[in-house]
Amino acid sequence: QKEVEQNSGPLSVPEGAIASLNCTYSDRGSQSFFWYRQYSGKSPELIMSIYSNGDKEDGRFTAQLNKASQYVSLLIRDSQPSDSATYLCAVTMYSGGGADGLTFGKGTHLIIQP
Amino acid sequence: EAQVTQNPRYLITVTGKKLTVTCSQNMNHEYMSWYRQDPGLGLRQIYYSMNVEVTDKGDVPEGYKVSRKEKRNFPLILESPSPNQTSLYFCASSAGTHSYEQYFGPGTRLTVT
Repeated sequence: QKEVEQNSGPLSVPEGAIASLNCTYSDRGSQSFFWYRQYSGKSPELIMSIYSNGDKEDGRFTAQLNKASQYVSLLIRDSQPSDSATYLCAVTMYSGGGADGLTFGKGTHLIIQP
Repeated sequence: EAQVTQNPRYLITVTGKKLTVTCSQNMNHEYMSWYRQDPGLGLRQIYYSMNVEVTDKGDVPEGYKVSRKEKRNFPLILESPSPNQTSLYFCASSAGTHSYEQYFGPGTRLTVT
């Protein structure tokens, strides 16, 4: 059974600092990795996707993937109060004959303190 | 505007009364999926569909049915709802079976009494 683990938090970070969110996954066959942001009462919003080992940067966000360690992380630079939300890590494996669905972690609640 | 829509947004019903939650996307996406979100359990996939007439079970399919007769629509059917199906439901879509960059609808909050 595929599992995705995240620290539930809350993770409290001062405004302007770097927020670091971590995720581990159990299935070594996993191939695609995503970070979603979810504000309270709203739907998840895709903010980053990463498919190969290394770093991927998009604005203030950097996703990092290490398949050997089964570890994916999200860094948020220059954190803003508007970044306060729950961040969901999601993982999937393409099985060749068809597509498997996304497996989500339970999310990390991030609080940016002004 | 590219979007995924769900209806209704809120629904209160009674045990055993059949209901359908509709989901529609205007992005010509191949892949569509349903999730439920519960406190402490996170988002869990119910069913997904890679194309018209192709559906498959996710992690928690019991008590649900789906159909995909048109590319844009993917309704979720609860034929005999029970209180343990009280939850927040999300529909999502993505551009292809190899693409899992899923875009979510606004959610449907269902209460079964």
